[in-house]
Amino acid sequence: AQSVAQPEDQVNVAEGNPLTVKCTYSVSGNPYLFWYVQYPNRGLQFLLKYITGDNLVKGSYGFEAEFNKSQTSFHLKKPSALVSDSALYFCAVRDTGGFKTIFGAGTRLFVKA
Amino acid sequence: DSGVTQTPKHLITATGQRVTLRCSPRSGDLSVYWYQQSLDQGLQFLIQYYNGEERAKGNILERFSAQQFPDLHSELNLSSLELGDSALYFCASSVAAGNSNEQFFGPGTRLTVL
Repeated sequence: AQSVAQPEDQVNVAEGNPLTVKCTYSVSGNPYLFWYVQYPNRGLQFLLKYITGDNLVKGSYGFEAEFNKSQTSFHLKKPSALVSDSALYFCAVRDTGGFKTIFGAGTRLFVKA
Repeated sequence: DSGVTQTPKHLITATGQRVTLRCSPRSGDLSVYWYQQSLDQGLQFLIQYYNGEERAKGNILERFSAQQFPDLHSELNLSSLELGDSALYFCASSVAAGNSNEQFFGPGTRLTVL
């Protein structure tokens, strides 16, 4: 069975500092991995995805994520955080052999000015 | 704006009642997904349709049902409502049913069961 874990409920970072939001996954085959962001009272917005190829994936709003097969991780990163990045971030995984997308519990990011 | 629309935005009803949530996918998207988001359960996948056919089923209760119509809009029917069904219900759409496709989410319907 596929699963995804976001070990931190909350991440606090100062504006201008780099940020990392962690995600680990478990699937039976090769994974498709996604990051989404949710702002208050809004639906989720797609940030980036890993399908195959280069382990470093670049996405919207300056975010990037690194796929690490040996550690089964797909951490979200940004070199310099903005206050406007404060939101709820979800990691999601899909098994290449299935159709269900499993979302992590979410990590709330607070960026202080 | 993702291009996915959901109606109504808010719904307040009583236990035992039945409600219908509606979703219109982005133009050109054939696949529709339904999710339930609550504080204690997080984001739970309910069901997926592709071009009118059910494609995948998640943690959907038997009291819940869905369908996708020929014009590709979808409806989620919730019956015999319980207090625990209070949640935010999201619809999402994607171009195809393929696993590599990202999903585009609507703004959600907030259901409150009193």
